Amino acid sequence: GESVGLHLPTLSVQEGDNSIINCAYSNSASDYFIWYKQESGKGPQFIIDIRSNMDKRQGQRVTVLLNKTVKHLSLQIAATQPGDSAVYFCAVRPNFGNEKLTFGTGTRLTIIP
Amino acid sequence: NAGVMQNPRHLVRRRGQEARLRCSPMKGHSHVYWYRQLPEEGLKFMVYLQKENIIDESGMPKERFSAEFPKEGPSILRIQQVVRGDSAAYFCASSPDLDNEQFFGPGTRLTVL
Repeated sequence: GESVGLHLPTLSVQEGDNSIINCAYSNSASDYFIWYKQESGKGPQFIIDIRSNMDKRQGQRVTVLLNKTVKHLSLQIAATQPGDSAVYFCAVRPNFGNEKLTFGTGTRLTIIP
Repeated sequence: NAGVMQNPRHLVRRRGQEARLRCSPMKGHSHVYWYRQLPEEGLKFMVYLQKENIIDESGMPKERFSAEFPKEGPSILRIQQVVRGDSAAYFCASSPDLDNEQFFGPGTRLTVL
């Protein structure tokens, strides 16, 4: 089965700086990867996704990088703002047609004003 | 377009009682997923349903837990004879079809006394 881990449980970043959150996965057949943001008392909110045929994807202030060789995923947030403070989860789908997501344990990002 | 709706948001039950959690997917979405989240942990997949069908229940405990998604009305996650270990946040997600982003609801926080 799939296991998903995160390298750091907590991360503090000065407001305005960039942050990088990392995630490792185990199943080389995994084909779809998503980053979610979860604020206290709320459900996960989609941030950005990437498929296995890509190695980089950019959104507004966020970039996801996928390294299939070492089975590593990262989320970069540029010019962090106080509203970025939350827990960030990576989620992995085992393969197309198998829709259940495996979530990592999460990294708590705190933006220091 | 309203998002995924879950109710109740908070549910308190005594050991041995039944808990019923409801999820209304986004309009036009026929795929529903249930996940459970313990404090300070990631979400764990429980079950994946399409209208009137259970597609994947590999994450559901074999006893006391059941799920349905009838032709009309919300999806229901039912926990019979609850125990303290069932205390968790239960999240529902929906998607319009396969190979699509899953949108999450706000969750139901179940507390078993």
